[in-house]
Amino acid sequence: DQQVKQNSPSLSVQEGRISILNCDYTNSMFDYFLWYKKYPAEGPTFLISISSIKDKNEDGRFTVFLNKSAKHLSLHIVPSQPGDSAVYFCAASDGRGGATNKLIFGTGTLLAVQP
Amino acid sequence: KAGVTQTPRYLIKTRGQQVTLSCSPISGHRSVSWYQQTPGQGLQFLFEYFSETQRNKGNFPGRFSGRQFSNSRSEMNVSTLELGDSALYLCASSSPAGETQYFGPGTRLLVL
Repeated sequence: DQQVKQNSPSLSVQEGRISILNCDYTNSMFDYFLWYKKYPAEGPTFLISISSIKDKNEDGRFTVFLNKSAKHLSLHIVPSQPGDSAVYFCAASDGRGGATNKLIFGTGTLLAVQP
Repeated sequence: KAGVTQTPRYLIKTRGQQVTLSCSPISGHRSVSWYQQTPGQGLQFLFEYFSETQRNKGNFPGRFSGRQFSNSRSEMNVSTLELGDSALYLCASSSPAGETQYFGPGTRLLVL
């Protein structure tokens, strides 16, 4: 049972435009969400996170939106740059009040930013 | 601060052998988690250690085990290797107060 889903395996965007990556989850106990960027044969790099008590978090060109009622989050990258081309994973945590740091990952979306 | 380090970066083993992978977390981080990444299954949680105790465990067979030392460094061991164990093994650490995990570069294991 896939608790975190990224339904778009790939996305192609023109440089300078907005990239929107989507993620859906099924477990209502998830209370913390993260986005990671990953290049082949490297570890994921943390980008941005959001707690379930918020609906938006912004960090530079990256903004994450959380819609708890729809169990949906999205990552917006504005403006997109060729260096943003990578696989993006969303991940969710049911922190149980700090009792665990287990992350459940989506399957990833390959973003290609065209110059 | 230095990031999460993993050794070795690459390993080739044969079926039936065992392997030990090592992870050094970011200084001050006491939680270390291990993940397996394969093309078919994506990133899957193996286990988490905190203060030398296993705090959570994923759905992997008992051939996969781990431990954590008093300096927070962690090792994972896979015994009786199978072809399907070929994967990128990732280690991540987080601070006691934080929920964000920071990943190392991974160990690429190939089982022949």
